[in-house]
Amino acid sequence: EVQLVESGGGLVQPGGSLRLSCAASGFTFSSYWMSWVRQAPGKGLEWVANIKQDGSEKYYVDSVKGRFTISRDNAKNSLYLQMNSLRAEDTAVYYCARGYCTNGVCYPGPFDYWGQGTLVTVSS
Amino acid sequence: SYVLTQPPSVSVAPGQTARITCGGNNIGSKSVHWYQQKPGQAPVLVVYDDSDRPSGIPERFSGSNSGNTATLTISRVEAGDEADYYCQVWDSSSDHQVFGGGTKLTVL
Repeated sequence: EVQLVESGGGLVQPGGSLRLSCAASGFTFSSYWMSWVRQAPGKGLEWVANIKQDGSEKYYVDSVKGRFTISRDNAKNSLYLQMNSLRAEDTAVYYCARGYCTNGVCYPGPFDYWGQGTLVTVSS
Repeated sequence: SYVLTQPPSVSVAPGQTARITCGGNNIGSKSVHWYQQKPGQAPVLVVYDDSDRPSGIPERFSGSNSGNTATLTISRVEAGDEADYYCQVWDSSSDHQVFGGGTKLTVL
């Protein structure tokens, strides 16, 4: 059974840092693109960042570029999001999501499995 | 950056057909994916690549995509279909994934 379990969320002051983790199981983690997607309270989904299978390609939404860093450890089946210089507008539930593989080819999307999310609150 | 436009809300009576649109410039040239999200839950993929369904998704869910509009169609709507629905594409010009603003489906 595919499982994605996020952790690391919490309350942080503006300007602070937080590191999110996503533990993957039930599939060959190293074969998949992985993404972080967030959802501010009462708002829609926003893609944040993604990373290629071997970590050689990373992409970010403009609003987090230079502040957030996505990374992965395939030996530990884990995905990470280092968030620095946090702002109130970064307050959201952060989801870890898996890309899609078919016929031996793997793509950044769609997102066929999602974790349950971890809440990040940026407030003084 | 590429923009996807969805109506904020759609209402439909049980047993009827709901159609949720997703507008974008020449969206017909892209692969569109649709997600269902119920309150307090993570999103679930219901349609991918315009019209394919993941295993376990009822045949009542279907999709189409042409020109500047993609459409998610839910036939024989049930109370359990009440949720937020999001369209999503890959923007090749930026290598970014893009979501629509979401549509709240209300079953009357």
